[in-house]
Amino acid sequence: AQKVTQAQTEISVVEKEDVTLDCVYETRDTTYYLFWYKQPPSGELVFLIRRNSFDEQNEISGRYSWNFQKSTSSFNFTITASQVVDSAVYFCALANFGNEKLTFGTGTRLTIIP
Amino acid sequence: DGGITQSPKYLFRKEGQNVTLSCEQNLNHDAMYWYRQDPGQGLRLIYYSQIVNDFQKGDIAEGYSVSREKKESFPLTVTSAQKNPTAFYLCASSIPLRSSGSGDLAKNIQYFGAGTRLSVL
Repeated sequence: AQKVTQAQTEISVVEKEDVTLDCVYETRDTTYYLFWYKQPPSGELVFLIRRNSFDEQNEISGRYSWNFQKSTSSFNFTITASQVVDSAVYFCALANFGNEKLTFGTGTRLTIIP
Repeated sequence: DGGITQSPKYLFRKEGQNVTLSCEQNLNHDAMYWYRQDPGQGLRLIYYSQIVNDFQKGDIAEGYSVSREKKESFPLTVTSAQKNPTAFYLCASSIPLRSSGSGDLAKNIQYFGAGTRLSVL
């Protein structure tokens, strides 16, 4: 069985602050994929990043960065210099190799206060 | 522009009625998925299809049915057997890992439609 835990239900920060969203996963497979999606108020899920289990290199894309650590089964997401447009629900998800169904966490609602 | 279109955006169901949610994609993706989202919860998989004329049950298939007669279409029917249908329904599609002809970077990423919000009258 696989599981994704996003312990932070809601986070509020003031604009321009940095914020980190936590994601902890459980899987018995050695090969798997991790994802982050953003769900703005409109409802559509927007793909942000995919990481495979054999690539622990951290990734940066503009104000977004991701920290993947297999030792702690974590795939955390940091937004630097947050903006109001970052307000959304963020989901972490896991898929095992060969079984492409996604297992989602319960999401973290991020509110950026102007 | 390529994408996934879900319709209608809002849908109301009367008790005992079956309703069908539409999902169409022009991304040429082989795989399609249906998820249900309840307030404060993550997405749960209802059904998925890796290829035309084939589909599999997900984690919460009871009370739902699907068909996959065309590559670009994957409609979901919420039957009267689904006693708690009020939720937000999301459709997704992807290029499966096993597909040939596409780079690995493009595979196994699910792209989503804008969703259908279903309520019971």
